[in-house]
Amino acid sequence: NAGVTQTPKFQVLKTGQSMTLQCAQDMNHEYMSWYRQDPGMGLRLIHYSVGAGITDQGEVPNGYNVSRSTTEDFPLRLLSAAPSQTSVYFCASSKLAGAYEQYFGPGTRLTVT
Amino acid sequence: TQLLEQSPQFLSIQEGENLTVYCNSSSVFSSLQWYRQEPGEGPVLLVTVVTGGEVKKLKRLTFQFGDARKDSSLHITAAQPGDTGLYLCAGYMDSNYQLIWGAGTKLIIKP
Repeated sequence: NAGVTQTPKFQVLKTGQSMTLQCAQDMNHEYMSWYRQDPGMGLRLIHYSVGAGITDQGEVPNGYNVSRSTTEDFPLRLLSAAPSQTSVYFCASSKLAGAYEQYFGPGTRLTVT
Repeated sequence: TQLLEQSPQFLSIQEGENLTVYCNSSSVFSSLQWYRQEPGEGPVLLVTVVTGGEVKKLKRLTFQFGDARKDSSLHITAAQPGDTGLYLCAGYMDSNYQLIWGAGTKLIIKP
């Protein structure tokens, strides 16, 4: 099993550009989420999904969109990149929503200039 | 303000020493998880504690959940360079169905 995969590993954007971060899992997990990780601030939840066709906002959703058309895929779209979105982004999945083990992807390091 | 406070934020010690890191809150959690994250990778689950007062051991790592389920600690005995990493705690609250994350303790073990 590949677990949780994320692409790209690194990305540099100019202010105002848009892009999509890809996330896929092959464990048939219902719950998927996107986090950003900034120094000294831990993991902050951007958006999450409890199943295909269902998404909701987390702690820091502004500037990001998600969709969940299949159980496997959960892409994160940056609509108009800003320097404040420079961060490391992690996709995670778990069997269900709640206190289950979170499986994380390897992360995407995004720099917005 | 972090709902889960981790301390210390940074710790650098010599191989063979013992250490304890803490995860504290004023809120009650139904369970608490500890993760370790190595540079360039995502966090990986070490343990989940669910009962107040529970102690779990993973080789040289000992995890404890506070009696009131508001705090937890991770004790490492005879630290090894392979223990180097960022240690994150995450608490689950039944009231909001979300994991609450601490900011992490960056641990460096020098050979």
